[in-house]
Amino acid sequence: GAGVSQTPSNKVTEKGKYVELRCDPISGHTALYWYRQSLGQGPEFLIYFQGTGAADDSGLPNDRFFAVRPEGSVSTLKIQRTERGDSAVYLCYQGAENYGYTFGSGTRLTVV
Amino acid sequence: GDSVTQMEGPVTLSEEACLTINCTYTATGYPSLFWYVQYPGEGLQLLLKATKADDKGSNKGFEATYRKETTSFHLEKGSVQVSDSAVYFCALSNSGYSTLTFGKGTMLLVSP
Repeated sequence: GAGVSQTPSNKVTEKGKYVELRCDPISGHTALYWYRQSLGQGPEFLIYFQGTGAADDSGLPNDRFFAVRPEGSVSTLKIQRTERGDSAVYLCYQGAENYGYTFGSGTRLTVV
Repeated sequence: GDSVTQMEGPVTLSEEACLTINCTYTATGYPSLFWYVQYPGEGLQLLLKATKADDKGSNKGFEATYRKETTSFHLEKGSVQVSDSAVYFCALSNSGYSTLTFGKGTMLLVSP
């Protein structure tokens, strides 16, 4: 595709439930990042993939958060036992040094 | 760790007024500096960037100069338009793999 696609665009879930957020990146670019943007704040780094492996997961807030990228393209961010404080826009950011980087339009997660 | 501080908003201007949004940073080494813009209902877009001291980034009439001596990267525009109304984020990248650290954002409201 022409850009970074994130699905769903909106997700409402009950506290304690499990959610998966998907990022379909630009094909051929090996670097992929997840960020979280809370209301009124700038995006905060969560995790970085280089290919299939997580090169840096230091931004994940706790062990309820996990992300995978099994084939080096599509990535899924997984959140277990969701809490109201997890409500935010989750952004995928992807590209390459010589091509530039692009943010997806994000998934707005609301935990009720 | 690295951090970015930008002026609080909202900044309210009349059309054709001059704009300055202040941004200062704290980082080790020699970061790259960025301004991102988020228009209402849209995703984050790269506005401009500078990769080394004294570089000037520019785009769409906006410009910012990388000032290492004052650790600043202030965003300026000589004559704003209503269509410039958006949230502006200052950011830096100080790792080998382009992870971004963002400020909290500054909302700009331009009235006719």
